[in-house]
Amino acid sequence: GEDVEQSLFLSVREGDSSVINCTYTDSSSTYLYWYKQEPGAGLQLLTYIFSNMDMKQDQRLTVLLNKKDKHLSLRIADTQTGDSAIYFCAETIGHGSSNTGKLIFGQGTTLQVKP
Amino acid sequence: NAGVTQTPKFQVLKTGQSMTLQCAQDMNHEYMSWYRQDPGMGLRLIHYSVGAGITDQGEVPNGYNVSRSTTEDFPLRLLSAAPSQTSVYFCASSYRQGSYTFGSGTRLTVV
Repeated sequence: GEDVEQSLFLSVREGDSSVINCTYTDSSSTYLYWYKQEPGAGLQLLTYIFSNMDMKQDQRLTVLLNKKDKHLSLRIADTQTGDSAIYFCAETIGHGSSNTGKLIFGQGTTLQVKP
Repeated sequence: NAGVTQTPKFQVLKTGQSMTLQCAQDMNHEYMSWYRQDPGMGLRLIHYSVGAGITDQGEVPNGYNVSRSTTEDFPLRLLSAAPSQTSVYFCASSYRQGSYTFGSGTRLTVV
């Protein structure tokens, strides 16, 4: 079935790197996403990676994709207190003409950044 | 501003009442979805649509109906509200191969 799993909580010190991990089950996923949600707010797209890529870097964010293990990670360099939020991993189900239009989310990882 | 617009932002219902949560997008996106967010459970897919006239069930469809008569609108109807439907509801839209844009959410309380 379709399932996305994340650890629920991560605490780091300001200035350290944060690594948030995610595993997924659908091998036909086209895109994998990372969303950020601050308290009381909606979801903000942080970054995404296409399934034929291994890595994507965008300023302080690095996404690593291991398709064999169906493992996705988000590394935030030089973590700041403003990075404190819930981070969601999500995958699209289906590929190309069989893209179902479904986007399945993990439970979210709460990142706490201590000064 | 272009984007996904959800109304209302807040709503309190009594058990058994019905209501419609509105969602509209002006980006000509083919795909639209409804999610509910509950603490510790992430976002769960209620219903989704890949185009006008086409809808399908997600993970938690019971108690909800949808229709997609136009590309722009995707309303979510609660037929007979129950306390278990107290949640934050998000609407999202995307192109076929693109990232999803989310609305700001509707916070629903059923008493």
